Amino acid sequence: DIQMTQSPSSLSASVGDRVTITCQASQDISNYLNWYQQKPGKAPNLLIYDASNLETGVPSRFSGSGSGTDFTFTISSLQPEDSATYYCQQYDNLPLTFGGGTKVEIK
Amino acid sequence: EVQLVESGGGLVQPGRSLRLSCAASGFTLDDYAMHWVRQAPGKGLEWVSGISWNSGRIAYADSVKGRFTISRDNAKNSLYLQMNSLRAEDTALYYCAKDRFGEFIVCPDYWGQGTLVTVSS
Repeated sequence: DIQMTQSPSSLSASVGDRVTITCQASQDISNYLNWYQQKPGKAPNLLIYDASNLETGVPSRFSGSGSGTDFTFTISSLQPEDSATYYCQQYDNLPLTFGGGTKVEIK
Repeated sequence: EVQLVESGGGLVQPGRSLRLSCAASGFTLDDYAMHWVRQAPGKGLEWVSGISWNSGRIAYADSVKGRFTISRDNAKNSLYLQMNSLRAEDTALYYCAKDRFGEFIVCPDYWGQGTLVTVSS
């Protein structure tokens, strides 16, 4: 199975800050990577697919990049409503696998 | 509007069985692959199983292979997960999710709110 390693596991940042989360795959997954946001008590919400494509309706402050084994998720200007846990997920191979999550808190 | 409503969760003893259902509305179910994804209390997401639009492709996580069976009834707009030989480590919130595609099991996009399964004696 492909292992997905996210870092950091948590971070605290101020409103307006630029936030970056990394996700590393245990093998080459091309660009077959999604990013999800999950707020407490809610279902996950797909933000980015194919590593860099923004899902419809998702604010443009969210972005993704990378290919192969190394990927980056960025919030360009952190907003209070962005407080959540973010997960990467690969779909190059079955079983689908998720990263361990990054909890983003607002200072 | 896409809606997915899971049901069938509850408290069950180890070794027993449970069947989860997911009622889909707001889209044509037989155009899309579907998934079950679970989340243990306070933990991350774990993909459990996926099924293509016509049930031609089915896949499972190693942790449930041989114990869980995914199925769908497009005429009834429903997805199912038959869970046998349940273990304490199967305790989780189980989400039903729609894929972006029909043929391939790749990208859960819309998710239900989940149904809680607790395995305990």
